[in-house]
Amino acid sequence: KAGVTQTPRYLIKTRGQQVTLSCSPISGHRSVSWYQQTPGQGLQFLFEYFSETQRNKGNFPGRFSGRQFSNSRSEMNVSTLELGDSALYLCASSGAAGNTDTQYFGPGTRLTVL
Amino acid sequence: ILNVEQSPQSLHVQEGDSTNFTCSFPSSNFYALHWYRWETAKSPEALFVMTLNGDEKKKGRISATLNTKEGYSYLYIKGSQPEDSATYLCACNQAGTALIFGKGTTLSVSS
Repeated sequence: KAGVTQTPRYLIKTRGQQVTLSCSPISGHRSVSWYQQTPGQGLQFLFEYFSETQRNKGNFPGRFSGRQFSNSRSEMNVSTLELGDSALYLCASSGAAGNTDTQYFGPGTRLTVL
Repeated sequence: ILNVEQSPQSLHVQEGDSTNFTCSFPSSNFYALHWYRWETAKSPEALFVMTLNGDEKKKGRISATLNTKEGYSYLYIKGSQPEDSATYLCACNQAGTALIFGKGTTLSVSS
């Protein structure tokens, strides 16, 4: 079974631009969560989607948004990029919502904002 | 917002040593506790998911225990090997809430 895939793997943008990151979950998984990882901060929760509905949202500004499609693929968008948005963005999928299911992580998208 | 604390932040052991880490979380409305291993240049890999007070899980030389009443979980590694070098993350959630991660414990094992 193919794992979680994320595209692109690396991205360089400049301040003020916007970016869209994509996550394809494991086949059959309906829950997708997004995390931001910066040095010293650990994994910060961004969003959780299940069956196209946002179930939970982390404490991030409105510039961060996301969505999930009917095939469970998910995208997150960051508008008006700031230097502090430079980070590794990870998505994880699981079979069900509720968080007792194991989450399977993708390889991440490394975003650099110049 | 749920606060998950891990200690120590990092540690260095010799091959063959046994070690353990701690994950602390609020005991109220506890739902699930996850442990992950994150090796450099790889994705976080799930180790255990625990939900019940007193749960004990084991995978090879790694085991974990859960105390939901006092809000902590221990991860034990018996006879550490260099390939155990990684960051170990715990994550916790309350019912209906997102999984919140601690900052991790980075283990370095020297041969």
